[in-house]
Amino acid sequence: DGGITQSPKYLFRKEGQNVTLSCEQNLNHDAMYWYRQDPGQGLRLIYYSQIVNDFQKGDIAEGYSVSREKKESFPLTVTSAQKNPTAFYLCASRAGDTEAFFGQGTRLTVV
Amino acid sequence: QKEVEQDPGPLSVPEGAIVSLNCTYSNSAFQYFMWYRQYSRKGPELLMYTYSSGNKEDGRFTAQVDKSSKYISLFIRDSQPSDSATYLCAMSAYSGNTPLVFGKGTRLSVIA
Repeated sequence: DGGITQSPKYLFRKEGQNVTLSCEQNLNHDAMYWYRQDPGQGLRLIYYSQIVNDFQKGDIAEGYSVSREKKESFPLTVTSAQKNPTAFYLCASRAGDTEAFFGQGTRLTVV
Repeated sequence: QKEVEQDPGPLSVPEGAIVSLNCTYSNSAFQYFMWYRQYSRKGPELLMYTYSSGNKEDGRFTAQVDKSSKYISLFIRDSQPSDSATYLCAMSAYSGNTPLVFGKGTRLSVIA
């Protein structure tokens, strides 16, 4: 089955820790995206990548980092500089101007 | 003014009702329009995808785009309790692989 896989489903972070969220797609899509979803806020763009080895900051990139070494993979690291990381994180991919497809999300909680 | 405006609701309707969900936008460059359905604690799933203006129908769902008014709609006929979810509109301009811009979502409850 083609699709986007995010892992883990739930993640807990201690204060001062960096954590990495995984996103893998087998749709052969060039573009991949990370969004953050908070209650009442909708989806806000963190980072996106239109091609391997290239990525751009979105609207709320501070405290996050990404890499795009392979077409299939776009991991997101939530660094200790992100002061309010508790949220639902969604990864998506897209081919050209077609529709975007989403993974099932990772819920990150600071403990 | 936000690029995409969507009434967050909540919207509550009886089973069998026709539901109308709407978004307005300010960027006239938007060409591609999508509606997603999101159940609680799940990723959004695509319902409808349209390009430029016009209507598109798929089963009980109809999407309309009026670019002259910068207004898009999603209609759900014969609504079911299983339609209870948050509905997100999304759109993008024509420039290849550009990120989607989302509305905040409308929470819908269909009461049996």
